[in-house]
Amino acid sequence: EAGVVQSPRYKIIEKKQPVAFWCNPISGHNTLYWYLQNLGQGPELLIRYENEEAVDDSQLPKDRFSAERLKGVDSTLKIQPAELGDSAVYLCASAYGTGGLDEQFFGPGTRLTVL
Amino acid sequence: DQQVKQNSPSLSVQEGRISILNCDYTNSMFDYFLWYKKYPAEGPTFLISISSIKDKNEDGRFTVFLNKSAKHLSLHIVPSQPGDSAVYFCAASWSGNTGKLIFGQGTTLQVKP
Repeated sequence: EAGVVQSPRYKIIEKKQPVAFWCNPISGHNTLYWYLQNLGQGPELLIRYENEEAVDDSQLPKDRFSAERLKGVDSTLKIQPAELGDSAVYLCASAYGTGGLDEQFFGPGTRLTVL
Repeated sequence: DQQVKQNSPSLSVQEGRISILNCDYTNSMFDYFLWYKKYPAEGPTFLISISSIKDKNEDGRFTVFLNKSAKHLSLHIVPSQPGDSAVYFCAASWSGNTGKLIFGQGTTLQVKP
């Protein structure tokens, strides 16, 4: 069974440019998470979807970040415009059930460098 | 405010010996704890978990101990193997939190042959 797929794996952009990350969760998984991981830190939740509904986006900086999961499967996370401090690894995870107690499976992440 | 803390950034042990990774938390509402393992260029993978109704959970070479009064948990790996070399993250959650995991900063374990 394929795991969580993320693309691109690496992205280098200049500040003020837009950037988008894509995530394909494990087939059949209803819950999808986006995490931010800064260097030397653990992942921090940005947004959680149950199917196509964002049920927790309290940590998403909405002035520049947006996310969508239109058909309850794939998801995109966008930053516009990017700032130097956005350089980090962006992780996507999925879980089978809703309600939050199912094991989360993580993708390999997208490493963003903002110059 | 760091609610989950892993105060040791790194740990080095000899193959065959015990590895002990520690984690402290501050939020009394946490009732479910997990350990994740991460290799370079890969996402974290679930290793073992423990509910607050228990004080110990074992899975093969991995054992997690929970001391609720001290708000402390630890992961024991016995015997340690070179393939265990990775970053280990402690994470905490609580009932009704809709799956939000609070992660520690991670501890890099190196197991020397």
